[in-house]
Amino acid sequence: SQQGEEDPQALSIQEGENATMNCSYKTSINNLQWYRQNSGRGLVHLILIRSNEREKHSGRLRVTLDTSKKSSSLLITASRAADTASYFCATGGGATNKLIFGTGTLLAVQP
Amino acid sequence: GAVVSQHPSRVICKSGTSVKIECRSLDFQATTMFWYRQFPKQSLMLMATSNEGSKATYEQGVEKDKFLINHASLTLSTLTVTSAHPEDSSFYICSASLQYTEAFFGQGTRLTVV
Repeated sequence: SQQGEEDPQALSIQEGENATMNCSYKTSINNLQWYRQNSGRGLVHLILIRSNEREKHSGRLRVTLDTSKKSSSLLITASRAADTASYFCATGGGATNKLIFGTGTLLAVQP
Repeated sequence: GAVVSQHPSRVICKSGTSVKIECRSLDFQATTMFWYRQFPKQSLMLMATSNEGSKATYEQGVEKDKFLINHASLTLSTLTVTSAHPEDSSFYICSASLQYTEAFFGQGTRLTVV
């Protein structure tokens, strides 16, 4: 089962523009993680934000978390064609890091 | 960072045969690994939790007799798709992690049953 939904399902932007993806989840969480997946490949971890954090940055990535609204957003600034991929939020974490994924956003960055 | 290796990356098999997929944590020990299934243009669906030295825990709706999981060592979990049928064709991905950190994923296995 999915933990929640992401929107938009698909996003197409020009290189240099910012991309924002939103994630909503259903249950209380320890942390929320964002992953990236290139077509037909495994997932790569991008960033983890804990439930007591509201915002986190990593390079061109900015993640926010609003536990009262059970939502998170991922902002990619100054996008590049190489950012083209699917992006998933995931909740779960804990000792074993059992993750439940959102529906994903397919980002296409046009050169 | 930690590395998880999955093999094979692609496999084509005939209906009725069984296919084994391996997931190895290369530089850390993983008492727990996870197996996911992904259909085209969809998200990852958790199939089961692989527990070293004990039985796997399957998610609701996943047939444990169809998808056999063995976690015989701290670095290796295997998923065997038994008596495969075309509807089992999918992308299968494993993951493992250290405690309370991000998960590391294998490269995935594209299974095609003909």
